[in-house]
This record gives sequence, structure tokens and C-alpha cells, in this order.
Amino acid sequence: QQQVKQSPQSLIVQKGGISIINCAYENTAFDYFPWYQQFPGKGPALLIAIRPDVSEKKEGRFTISFNKSAKQFSLHIMDSQPGDSATYFCAAPMGGQNFVFGPGTRLSVLP
Amino acid sequence: DAGVIQSPRHEVTEMGQEVTLRCKPISGHDYLFWYRQTMMRGLELLIYFNNNVPIDDSGMPEDRFSAKMPNASFSTLKIQPSEPRDSAVYFCASSRDRSPETQYFGPGTRLLVL
Repeated sequence: QQQVKQSPQSLIVQKGGISIINCAYENTAFDYFPWYQQFPGKGPALLIAIRPDVSEKKEGRFTISFNKSAKQFSLHIMDSQPGDSATYFCAAPMGGQNFVFGPGTRLSVLP
Repeated sequence: DAGVIQSPRHEVTEMGQEVTLRCKPISGHDYLFWYRQTMMRGLELLIYFNNNVPIDDSGMPEDRFSAKMPNASFSTLKIQPSEPRDSAVYFCASSRDRSPETQYFGPGTRLLVL
């Protein structure tokens, strides 16, 4: 069974700081790695994803970095804002429509 | 569009009772997914449908769990009999195609089995 390791479990960042969340996977059915954002009481929502024909993808303040040889990818949130406070999940594809999700990182951005 | 609609939002039941969770996907979405989220196991895919047909139910934990999609606008996830370890948040999601970029999650049903 594919496992995805995610760290840290929780993260506290000052407003304006950089939040960094890391994920490592074992094997994948294909190369596509999404990150999800979940606010309390809500379902997860796709935040950003990368197809590793590139090693980095940036969308606004959010950047995914991917290291295929190390089987690792990370999410960077630049200029973190209190509104970014949420739980973040990485995921890796198992095959078909099935993704294995990381255990989540609870991010708190202090004002 | 109203998004993915789930009902009930909260359910408290006693062990042994039957529980039925309901989902209305976004109109025009051909894929429907049921997930379960717990502190211990995180977010897990239970089953997904394509054009109302179950495609992969390998994540369904036991025979006590069953899911149906009688038409394109409605799906149910049933647990019979329920057990305390089934307590979790159950999410329904739908997508237009196979790409996660088109997948949208519902607000979830928080189930507590006493």
C-alpha cells in the first residue's frame, strides 16, 4: 500500500513569513501531485498541483517544488496570511482515480 | 451552481443502527466519489462512480458499507449495521472528468456512532 509521509504535523508562522510543508511518497502510478486546502467544517479543495515535466510550479503565493529522484515534493506559501490558516494535504496517485493522501499539516498564521 | 450537496450534515446514531448518507453531485459531473476522513487514517477514498457505475470499491472497508448511484444526480452511502469505529466525516465529491482539477468536495457529513 502506497504511503505518503507529510511533515510537519502542525506549523505556526507569523504573518508575512514563509510556510513550508513537505511530502514524500514511495511509488506512483503516474506523475501528478496535488495539494489540497481544507478549512474547518469544509471539504478539501484543490489548491495547486504539479505534473513533473517541470520541477516547480507557482501560482500566486503558492509554489510546489518537486524532486523526482528523491520522491519528494513540497508546498511553499510566501507572504503567509491569517486567511491561509487551514489544514493542507498532499496526495500521490495510486492508479485510476485513487490518490493516497498525506496525514495533513495544520497551519496557523499569526496576525 | 450550488456545489456538491450532502445530507445530513450531522448524524448521531447508536451502534447497530442503519445509517444512510446522501449526495447530490454537481450537474454535468460524470464522476462521483465517496471519501472518509478520520484523525487516525486521514482522508481515504471509499468508492467512485463513473456515469452512475461503480468503478472502484476497493476502499470500502467492509460488507457493512454499500454505495449506490441510481441516477446522475443522486448517490447514497449506507452503513448497516453501524459501529463506533465508523465515526468519521464522510465526504462526497464530484468531477467533470478524470482530472482532479475538476473535482469538488461537498461539505461532508459528520457521523458519530455511539
